[in-house]
Amino acid sequence: GAVVSQHPSRVICKSGTSVKIECRSLDFQATTMFWYRQFPKQSLMLMATSNEGSKATYEQGVEKDKFLINHASLTLSTLTVTSAHPEDSSFYICSATSPAVKGTIYFGEGSWLTVV
Amino acid sequence: RKEVEQDPGPFNVPEGATVAFNCTYSNSASQSFFWYRQDCRKEPKLLMSVYSSGNEDGRFTAQLNRASQYISLLIRDSKLSDSATYLCVATTSGTYKYIFGTGTRLKVLA
Repeated sequence: GAVVSQHPSRVICKSGTSVKIECRSLDFQATTMFWYRQFPKQSLMLMATSNEGSKATYEQGVEKDKFLINHASLTLSTLTVTSAHPEDSSFYICSATSPAVKGTIYFGEGSWLTVV
Repeated sequence: RKEVEQDPGPFNVPEGATVAFNCTYSNSASQSFFWYRQDCRKEPKLLMSVYSSGNEDGRFTAQLNRASQYISLLIRDSKLSDSATYLCVATTSGTYKYIFGTGTRLKVLA
């Protein structure tokens, strides 16, 4: 079946630096990708919806200047956490879909970010 | 009020027990519903879709009640391997946006 891959799976960065997480759809062209954040023992919270070639749509309360999302190709979306702080430490997960896969959502494996 | 709500649990049940989870949704425009399973520190995996007529997949049965805006998941003959967090998901017609519930933790005890 379709596979969505995230990289890195784990990253530790220093407070104040930026970190980029990649989400790739490996065997289909993802017209739409989603980015979620999950804090421990909480649910997945949708951060933004990303359509290829256009600006991401952010959910209420998510700072678009802090969480930069780029979806420049049909197989790659990136999330950059800028000026990271310890409270940004979380599990970040992407998902991808397209009409080609009949709207089925495929999740990446997730990325654990720890800001120290 | 959260758009999709679940009892966080944990539900601790012995092996072989039957356990049921409920999930309520507030957006009456929600059209499609799913149950996902998430193991600790992993991505969620689709368990089953939920259809209006109810559907069954082995030991798992899902039901949808549109009038009361809730969905349910029944697990029969619980196995140790069923221990996980079960996430309820609702989507709105015409979008691929998944709204997740808070998840219900299940622990099946030997």
